[in-house]
Amino acid sequence: GENVEQHPSTLSVQEGDSAVIKCTYSDSASNYFPWYKQELGKRPQLIIDIRSNVGEKKDQRIAVTLNKTAKHFSLHITETQPEDSAVYFCAASKGGSYIPTFGRGTSLIVHP
Amino acid sequence: DAEITQSPRHKITETGRQVTLACHQTWNHNNMFWYRQDLGHGLRLIHYSYGVQDTNKGEVSDGYSVSRSNTEDLPLTLESAASSQTSVYFCASSKDHVLYEQYFGPGTRLTVT
Repeated sequence: GENVEQHPSTLSVQEGDSAVIKCTYSDSASNYFPWYKQELGKRPQLIIDIRSNVGEKKDQRIAVTLNKTAKHFSLHITETQPEDSAVYFCAASKGGSYIPTFGRGTSLIVHP
Repeated sequence: DAEITQSPRHKITETGRQVTLACHQTWNHNNMFWYRQDLGHGLRLIHYSYGVQDTNKGEVSDGYSVSRSNTEDLPLTLESAASSQTSVYFCASSKDHVLYEQYFGPGTRLTVT
């Protein structure tokens, strides 16, 4: 089955710096890659997603890139703010299954 | 507005008791899922359902069961609660298409003493 590896497990940055979280996946048939943000004590919520026919997608300070050849995708957050502090999960899924495979999460800490 | 809710939000129970966690969604989604979240393990799939009368086991299904009698609800039952089942439980639902996200409920924190 699919395997998603996420790195790093913890990321500490200063406010205003950029943050990058990387995920690799094993199943070349995967074609949907969402990213979820989970604030402390809250539910995971989608912040951005990318489909396999697109290489990059941006939404204000966040962007996701996808390299299908290398089977990896990354989340980029620019001009980080303290409210960006949370756990971020990547996931991968494919046609024929509604079940995403999640990475283990990255705890992002933004220091004021 | 459509939503997904869970109850109770917090539950303390004793080892060996049967516990049922409720999940209710008004999105009219056919797909529903139960996950548990523990430190260091991320989100692990317990059971899932693709529609009424359909249930399937996930990667950590031992000790849990679900039933799907209507589109809106997927209750999760712990037949005989164990301390290893102390966790935060999230219910989720999604549209009938793989290229769409899951919508998560607010979670239930379960403590088994």
